[in-house]
Amino acid sequence: AQKITQTQPGMFVQEKEAVTLDCTYDTSDQSYGLFWYKQPSSGEMIFLIYQGSYDEQNATEGRYSLNFQKARKSANLVISASQLGDSAMYFCAMRVMNSGYSTLTFGKGTMLLVSP
Amino acid sequence: GAGVSQSPSNKVTEKGKDVELRCDPISGHTALYWYRQSLGQGLEFLIYFQGNSAPDKSGLPSDRFSAERTGGSVSTLTIQRTQQEDSAVYLCASSGIGTQGYYGYTFGSGTRLTVV
Repeated sequence: AQKITQTQPGMFVQEKEAVTLDCTYDTSDQSYGLFWYKQPSSGEMIFLIYQGSYDEQNATEGRYSLNFQKARKSANLVISASQLGDSAMYFCAMRVMNSGYSTLTFGKGTMLLVSP
Repeated sequence: GAGVSQSPSNKVTEKGKDVELRCDPISGHTALYWYRQSLGQGLEFLIYFQGNSAPDKSGLPSDRFSAERTGGSVSTLTIQRTQQEDSAVYLCASSGIGTQGYYGYTFGSGTRLTVV
């Protein structure tokens, strides 16, 4: 079975600082994908970044980067230069590619609050 | 359409009544998912449709929950004899190969169901 663990229920960061949101995963499959989503108070799930298990380089998308450590089974999200609009819930998720049971498994999320 | 559309956005219903929630996925996306998000919680998988294959219903919490997908497009999630514990946000997502070449997911804005 697949499992995503986000150990930080809440994180606080000051505007313009960098913050790392932790995510560890558990799967016995070799081919999988890791996703991060942002959920603001409006409730929509906004895709941020994707990392494939065979990707050799860490994914980056603007101010977002994914620190992928395959041996440790971790996929931490790094947000550089935090902005007030980054305050939201952040979810790490995993999709196993070679399973007939093809869906996203989510962690419980981390609430990020950015202060001025 | 350009995104995943869900309706209604909000639904208040009396305990014991039936409700139908609708999801209109992105055109061309063959996979469609329903998730439930209770207050302050992560996303709980409910059901998954892939093309014309039989749906994966393994996440449905009880036989009061059912879903169908007509013509490989629009999906309806039905909850019969609603209970207060059914109160949650119901999120729909569709997926397909995105422009970046990986299998991405797009979520709708959800239906907030309140059972009183």
